[in-house]
Amino acid sequence: EVHLVESGGGLVQPGGSLRLSCGDSRFTFSSYWMSWVRQAPGEGLEWVANIKGDGSEKHYMDSVKGRFTISRDNAKNSLYLQMDSLRAEDTAVYYCTRLDRSGYFEYWGQGTLVTVSS
Amino acid sequence: DIQMTQSPSTLSASVGDRVTITCRASQSISIWLAWYQQKPGRAPKLLIYKASSLESGVPSRFSGSGSGPEFTLTISSLQPDDFATYYCQQSDSYPYTFGQGTKLE
Repeated sequence: EVHLVESGGGLVQPGGSLRLSCGDSRFTFSSYWMSWVRQAPGEGLEWVANIKGDGSEKHYMDSVKGRFTISRDNAKNSLYLQMDSLRAEDTAVYYCTRLDRSGYFEYWGQGTLVTVSS
Repeated sequence: DIQMTQSPSTLSASVGDRVTITCRASQSISIWLAWYQQKPGRAPKLLIYKASSLESGVPSRFSGSGSGPEFTLTISSLQPDDFATYYCQQSDSYPYTFGQGTKLE
C-alpha cells in the first residue's frame, strides 16, 4: 500500500524559503513521475510541479517558475520542493502525489501546510 | 491553458438520489480526464481516470463518461458517505488544471 508522507511545512515570512519533503519506501520510487499539488485555504486544487522518475524532465505552473524547484533523490525514495521568494498567495496545503503515466494523481499524501505571512 | 468548468458549483441532494456533475474543458482533451472526491480536512481521492475507468476499490455506483470537451460524473444512488466536494482534472497538456469543484450537500 502506497503511503506518501510530507514534511517541512510551517510559517515563513514573505520573501523567505522553505523546503518540503515527501517519501515512501513501499514502491519502486524511481519508476514513477511524482508531483506537488496545492490547495489554498477554502479554495480548490492547483497543480504545482511534476518530475519524471529519473529526474530528467520537470514541469511547473507559471506562477512558481523561477521560484520553486522540484527534485528527487531516488536512493532515498524522496521527493522535494524547494520554495524560494515565497509570497502570501503561496499559502496552502501542499500535497505530494504519485502520478500515473496518463497524468492523473493516483496516490496522495496527507498534506503539509505552508503559511506565508509576516 | 485549458480551463475546466464544473457545474453546478453546489448540488443539494438526498440519499438514494441519482446525481450528475458536469465538467467542460475549454478545448478537446480526448479522454484525459480524472475525477476526485475530497472530504473536509482530507486529501483528495481518485475515483475515475481516463474519463470512464473506475479506480480500484471505488464503489460501482460511481461512473464517468464523455470525451473531447464535455464529461460527466454520475452517482447512481447517493449514499451518506458521498457528501463531499468533487473535482475534475485534465492531463491532456501542461499545465494540468482542475475544475473549481462541486460541493455535494
